[in-house]
Amino acid sequence: DTGVSQDPRHKITKRGQNVTFRCDPISEHNRLYWYRQTLGQGPEFLTYFQNEAQLEKSRLLSDRFSAERPKGSFSTLEIQRTEQGDSAMYLCASSSYSSQETQYFGPGTRLLVL
Amino acid sequence: ILNVEQSPQSLHVQEGDSTNFTCSFPSSNFYALHWYRWETAKSPEALFVMTLNGDEKKKGRISATLNTKEGYSYLYIKGSQPEDSATYLCASKETSGSRLTFGEGTQLTVNP
Repeated sequence: DTGVSQDPRHKITKRGQNVTFRCDPISEHNRLYWYRQTLGQGPEFLTYFQNEAQLEKSRLLSDRFSAERPKGSFSTLEIQRTEQGDSAMYLCASSSYSSQETQYFGPGTRLLVL
Repeated sequence: ILNVEQSPQSLHVQEGDSTNFTCSFPSSNFYALHWYRWETAKSPEALFVMTLNGDEKKKGRISATLNTKEGYSYLYIKGSQPEDSATYLCASKETSGSRLTFGEGTQLTVNP
């Protein structure tokens, strides 16, 4: 399977705990995006990498959130001191200029904070 | 900040019906309009990317049009099938490589 993969698919945690999600993009894609989707809403942009550089961050990305893409390949999204309001689907997407900039999405990680 | 709106919010049709949805977006600073289909427990699937005013794209029974001057796009499904049941999302982009701003989606249910 050469699509975007995300791990884990589901995560249940207690309020105050830290969680980390991983995204593996399509191998030749240099752009990687994180989005968050809550019930009844469309996905909302969180952050964007071109290769290993984090080029844009949404104001939704509080200081409890950090994302990395250390070697320009996979990316991690960490949430520290989780809150119940962090419960959502976290989606990762990747793209390249040659793909007409279509963003290809992974299946998401569904987070539930109790 | 872009405000992308979709209507209707949900739609129930019978198998064989044709249907269409609307996506509206700010026409200023427009770069591209994307349509996705998202089935439960699956990844959002890219349907179309459109950039030019008057663009029309087709994929099987699904087609889309784009009007960048007035800021809207239509998605059409001809002869709906139960497997078309999904949430259809549109998203606008302001510049190359940048974020997508999504609408809330139209949830389509096709009854056999």
